[in-house]
Amino acid sequence: NAGVTQTPKFQVLKTGQSMTLQCAQDMNHEYMSWYRQDPGMGLRLIHYSVGAGITDQGEVPNGYNVSRSTTEDFPLRLLSAAPSQTSVYFCASSDIGGDYGYTFGSGTRLTVV
Amino acid sequence: DAKTTQPPSMDCAEGRAANLPCNHSTISGNEYVYWYRQIHSQGPQYIIHGLKNNETNEMASLIITEDRKSSTLILPHATLRDTAVYYCIVRALSAGGYQKVTFGTGTKLQVIP
Repeated sequence: NAGVTQTPKFQVLKTGQSMTLQCAQDMNHEYMSWYRQDPGMGLRLIHYSVGAGITDQGEVPNGYNVSRSTTEDFPLRLLSAAPSQTSVYFCASSDIGGDYGYTFGSGTRLTVV
Repeated sequence: DAKTTQPPSMDCAEGRAANLPCNHSTISGNEYVYWYRQIHSQGPQYIIHGLKNNETNEMASLIITEDRKSSTLILPHATLRDTAVYYCIVRALSAGGYQKVTFGTGTKLQVIP
């Protein structure tokens, strides 16, 4: 199993550009989420989903959109990139039972200039 | 979701047991305690979780107090590879239910040769 796959691993954007961070999991997990991590800080929840067609906001949702059209995919869209969105982004998935906790992707390091 | 409190940093001598505390005084009856660790800039890795009984797996042991207001993660023989940030979170498990989980800043464990 590949687990949770995030693409791209690195990205540089100009202010105002838009892009989509991809996240895919092959474990048939119902729950998926996006976090951002800034230097010296913990993980902050951006958006999450408890199943296809169901999404909700986390702690820091402004500037980001998500959708969940399939169980496998949970893309994160930056509508108009800002330097404050420079961060490392992690996608995570879990089954509802939570027996094995969250499985995290390896992250996307985004720089907005 | 209940919040957790962890010391920002700890040191441990290589080969000795590392005991990482976590306070979760507002934990609800249906919330589990989960521990994760993040090595350098990798995605966090699940370690262990429990409800009210002590748990042990190949990575660590989890001791939860009888009142469930605090817990301790024990790495029995710390190695240099255990140097990481350790996160304690609490999470309710319910099929199709609310799954908003946040991570704090964790405890940075430094294993010293």
